[in-house]
Amino acid sequence: LAKTTQPISMDSYEGQEVNITCSHNNIATNDYITWYQQFPSQGPRFIIQGYKTKVTNEVASLFIPADRKSSTLSLPRVSLSDTAVYYCLVGRTYNNNDMRFGAGTRLTVKP
Amino acid sequence: KAGVTQTPRYLIKTRGQQVTLSCSPISGHRSVSWYQQTPGQGLQFLFEYFSETQRNKGNFPGRFSGRQFSNSRSEMNVSTLELGDSALYLCASRGMDQETQYFGPGTRLLVL
Repeated sequence: LAKTTQPISMDSYEGQEVNITCSHNNIATNDYITWYQQFPSQGPRFIIQGYKTKVTNEVASLFIPADRKSSTLSLPRVSLSDTAVYYCLVGRTYNNNDMRFGAGTRLTVKP
Repeated sequence: KAGVTQTPRYLIKTRGQQVTLSCSPISGHRSVSWYQQTPGQGLQFLFEYFSETQRNKGNFPGRFSGRQFSNSRSEMNVSTLELGDSALYLCASRGMDQETQYFGPGTRLLVL
């Protein structure tokens, strides 16, 4: 089972780029990597998903090295509203009970 | 498209009671998964339903059960509630052959 490890917390300032790394040494060949954002008492919100190399959408980029044993979520120019917990999820949805959410990284953006 | 909806949003029950939570997936999504989120254990998978059939099940006792209707709406039932069942219960839906799950806002259950 792909166990994930993320930093517990990170601090940043408005306008900076934030990179959050997730380690998943036991990732399986068919596993995808997905990142979610969660605000207090709300459901996780999908940010980005990838399998290998680099994926970019309107809110973030996801960098996955060739060995796929880690991934980095990059948030460009964060704002105060990006203060939230960010979760890394590794697995395949056809086998949810093998999917593993990380403990989450609490990002605090300061003015 | 409307997102995943869950009702009720908040619920208070006492030990020994039972509770039923409801989830309506995104239109067209036939897969619904349920998760329990607590400060101590984080997000844990409960079960997944697809086309009214339970497809996967997490490591939870039989007090936790679910079902899915022909319109893909799903319900989750917890019987004989315990204090430790206090949690945020989340459901997520997914389109066919898609990897991305979309979560609802959750139901906050407090067991007294």
